[in-house]
Amino acid sequence: DTGVSQDPRHKITKRGQNVTFRCDPISEHNRLYWYRQTLGQGPEFLTYFQNEAQLEKSRLLSDRFSAERPKGSFSTLEIQRTEQGDSAMYLCASSLNAHIQYFGAGTRLSVL
Amino acid sequence: AQKVTQAQTEISVVEKEDVTLDCVYETRDTTYYLFWYKQPPSGELVFLIRRNSFDEQNEISGRYSWNFQKSTSSFNFTITASQVVDSAVYFCALSEMEPLVFGKGTRLSVIA
Repeated sequence: DTGVSQDPRHKITKRGQNVTFRCDPISEHNRLYWYRQTLGQGPEFLTYFQNEAQLEKSRLLSDRFSAERPKGSFSTLEIQRTEQGDSAMYLCASSLNAHIQYFGAGTRLSVL
Repeated sequence: AQKVTQAQTEISVVEKEDVTLDCVYETRDTTYYLFWYKQPPSGELVFLIRRNSFDEQNEISGRYSWNFQKSTSSFNFTITASQVVDSAVYFCALSEMEPLVFGKGTRLSVIA
C-alpha cells in the first residue's frame, strides 16, 4: 500500500518562472488537499478536491495559483510568475471522504 | 473563527524523561475534530491521533497519551519515557468542516 507521493521533492526556480507540482494520492482516496508550509509555521490550507471537483479555495490561493485534478486521481498545482514569497514547502494530503488526512513528503520550492 | 495555539515553540528533554506538549484551540462549532501530527526531519507529516468533540476520553497508545478537556479547550499530548527517535516537530490541528487548521508546532529535541 503506497502512501501519498509528491514530485518533485525539491524545485529551485528563478523569479518569474512557472512551476508545476504533482501529487498522487492513496489510490482509493476521493479527497485531495493542498497545503503550504513556511519555515517555523504550521501548514496552511490552499485548496481541496472531491474526485475531480475543486470544492474550496483559500484566500491564500492567488490568481497565480491553479490546481487541477482532471480524472479524480492525481493532482497538479501550478504557480505562474513565481515570486520569492512563494518559497515554501507544498504539502499534499488525501483522505477517504472526510476522514483522516494522510500527507506526502512535500515539494520544497525555492524561488531565487 | 478557528484557531490552534501551541505556546511551546521548542522543548528539549533528556532521554527517558516524560514530556507534555500543550495545545489550546478555539472554535464556535460544537462538532469538530482534533488531531496531532508528527513531522520528522524528512518533512512528511505523520498522523498520530484524531479525537472528535463528543469523545472526551483520554487515550493511551504505547508511550503516547492524550488528554482532551473541553472545559479548557485543550488537547495535550504526553510522551512517556522519551526517546531520541521522538525528536520532531509536533502539530496540533483542528477541523470543523474540511481543511485542517494547524498550530505553529512544537519542536521537541530528545537528547541522549
